[in-house]
Amino acid sequence: GAGVSQTPSNKVTEKGKYVELRCDPISGHTALYWYRQSLGQGPEFLIYFQGTGAADDSGLPNDRFFAVRPEGSVSTLKIQRTERGDSAVYLCASSSGTGDIGYTFGSGTRLTVV
Amino acid sequence: SQKIEQNSEALNIQEGKTATLTCNYTNYSPAYLQWYRQDPGRGPVFLLLIRENEKEKRKERLKVTFDTTLKQSLFHITASQPADSATYLCALGGNTGKLIFGQGTTLQVKP
Repeated sequence: GAGVSQTPSNKVTEKGKYVELRCDPISGHTALYWYRQSLGQGPEFLIYFQGTGAADDSGLPNDRFFAVRPEGSVSTLKIQRTERGDSAVYLCASSSGTGDIGYTFGSGTRLTVV
Repeated sequence: SQKIEQNSEALNIQEGKTATLTCNYTNYSPAYLQWYRQDPGRGPVFLLLIRENEKEKRKERLKVTFDTTLKQSLFHITASQPADSATYLCALGGNTGKLIFGQGTTLQVKP
C-alpha cells in the first residue's frame, strides 16, 4: 500500500481481556517494527522483524506480549490479560532494510484498558 | 543504561526566526542519528539522517549537526513558519536496525 496501515485506530478493552493489533506495512518492506508511546514520551521499542522472524524482541515488557509476522508482510501484536498500564498508542513502522534508513510509521492504535 | 535527552520544555519562537533543538545522549555510541516530526494523533515522520562520520546534513530549511565527542545533535529550522509547529523526536541507531527515541521537544512557531 501507499503507507503503513494500522487497525483498529482505537481500541477500548476491559482489564483482563485479550487484544490483537494489526499492522500492514508498505509493500516490499522487509523490516517491521512495533513501538509503544505514552503521552508526552517518545516511542519505546518493543520488537522488530526482518522478514518472518523476530530479529530483536528485547523490548517486549513481559510474556503477555507477543507478535507474529507469518508471511513476512502483515504483523499482529497480541496482548493477553490486558492491564490498565498497557494503555498507550501502539505504533508500527516499516523500512526497506535495516541500518541507516528512515522508518515509515503508521498512525498507531490507541489502546485503552478500562 | 542508554539515555537520550531532549528539551522537555516547549520551544516558542517567532515566525521567521531559526529554531534550534537539542538532543544529548549518554552510554551509547550510535552509528547514526535520525530526526522525526510528529503531529498530534499521528505517527512520526522521518526528516533527516546523519551518520557518525558526518558533521552536518542539510535538507531545504533543515540542518542537523552531530558531535560524537560531545554526544550531541542540534536540529535547526531556518525561516520558521507556523506550519513547523510540532513535536520533534531524535532517535539513535546502531547496526541492529533498532532505533532508540528521545522524549521529543514541542516547537510552537507564532505568526
